[in-house]
Amino acid sequence: SAVISQKPSRDICQRGTSLTIQCQVDSQVTMMFWYRQQPGQSLTLIATANQGSEATYESGFVIDKFPISRPNLTFSTLTVSNMSPEDSSIYLCSVEDLKIEQFFGPGTRLTVL
Amino acid sequence: RKEVEQDPGPFNVPEGATVAFNCTYSNSASQSFFWYRQDCRKEPKLLMSVYSSGNEDGRFTAQLNRASQYISLLIRDSKLSDSATYLCAVNIGSNYQLIWGAGTKLIIKP
Repeated sequence: SAVISQKPSRDICQRGTSLTIQCQVDSQVTMMFWYRQQPGQSLTLIATANQGSEATYESGFVIDKFPISRPNLTFSTLTVSNMSPEDSSIYLCSVEDLKIEQFFGPGTRLTVL
Repeated sequence: RKEVEQDPGPFNVPEGATVAFNCTYSNSASQSFFWYRQDCRKEPKLLMSVYSSGNEDGRFTAQLNRASQYISLLIRDSKLSDSATYLCAVNIGSNYQLIWGAGTKLIIKP
């Protein structure tokens, strides 16, 4: 399976600021996703990061709040904009292989004060 | 009704026992099924894919029941290290996304 890294691993931010999370994969992948996981909850898909085009957002998530870049097949970023304490969560990127199996990065633990 | 449902638990099980839990899905067009394990403060990790014929990996057995629309995970001779949250995920085949259950928390006690 692909090796996936995320930066930063954690951060504490002030409300109103923005944070960009990076996801790097050690091989080219077509499908890359961004999830959010609140404490004790399951995974919520934010968007599918499409290479060379705009991300596909799930209901409840918008590009202005969560802009995503996917400049190539090994890298993506998710920005959490104008943060509020409700954005405190773990943000995970994942990649999918041809068998629809998904593999996750280690996550970014975000706390907004 | 949620698309994918799991009993949240926790399941408190003595070490060495056998434990099983299910995951039900609502869409009969679902085609691919997976069990993931998530340790506290870690990312989910693929435990096993679930095939129509069922599959086994050591102490773990996964089965699919299409008629009743659920998948199951059986853990035999449970170890303390099996304590984790087990997430099921389902793909309906019309797109590439996985639909996730909320997870079942398993606690193995000595």
